[in-house]
Amino acid sequence: DIQLTQSPSFLSASVGDRVTITCRASQGISSYLAWYQQKPGKAPKVLIFEASTLQSGVPSRFSGSGSGTEFTLTISSLQPEDFATYYCQQLNSYPRTFGPGTKVDVK
Amino acid sequence: EVQLVESGGGLVKPGGSLRLSCEDSGFSFSSYSMNWVRQAPGKGLEWVSYISSSSIYIYYADSVKGRFTISRDNARNSVSLQMNSLRAEDTAVYYCARGKGYYDSSGFHEDCFDLWGQGTLVTVSS
Repeated sequence: DIQLTQSPSFLSASVGDRVTITCRASQGISSYLAWYQQKPGKAPKVLIFEASTLQSGVPSRFSGSGSGTEFTLTISSLQPEDFATYYCQQLNSYPRTFGPGTKVDVK
Repeated sequence: EVQLVESGGGLVKPGGSLRLSCEDSGFSFSSYSMNWVRQAPGKGLEWVSYISSSSIYIYYADSVKGRFTISRDNARNSVSLQMNSLRAEDTAVYYCARGKGYYDSSGFHEDCFDLWGQGTLVTVSS
């Protein structure tokens, strides 16, 4: 199975900050990686797929990059509605796996 | 509005069974792959199962293999998860999620889960 790790696990930031989250895969997954945002009590929402493609309707302050085993999600200027937990997911093979999550909290 | 609606969650004793259902409203259900994803209280996301648009391909997480069965009825725009031999560690919110993707020469590639239901809570406890 492909394992995903995320760093950091927890991040304190302020509105307007640039935020970067890293996701590493235990083996190469090409660009088959998606990023999700989840707020408490809500279902996850896809932000990025194929490592760098912005899902329709997602603000352009979100961007993704990487391929192979290392990926990043960047929020260029954190907004109040962006405080949430972020998960990466690999879609290269089964079983599908998610990273453990990165919680972005208010500094 | 395009949405998925889950039902069937509840409290069940260890060793018991439960059947979850997920129905769509407003999209071409039969064209999409479907997944179940769960989230234990206070924990992260765990993928549970996948079924292709025509039910030809089905996959399970090792943690549920042999106990859970996924199925779909394209005529009724629904996907189900039959859960047997339930354990305390199956306690979670269960989400159905639509798989978005594309076809190429090697077949269908799912590239994200683009539509999720609201989730249904399954509690396994005596």
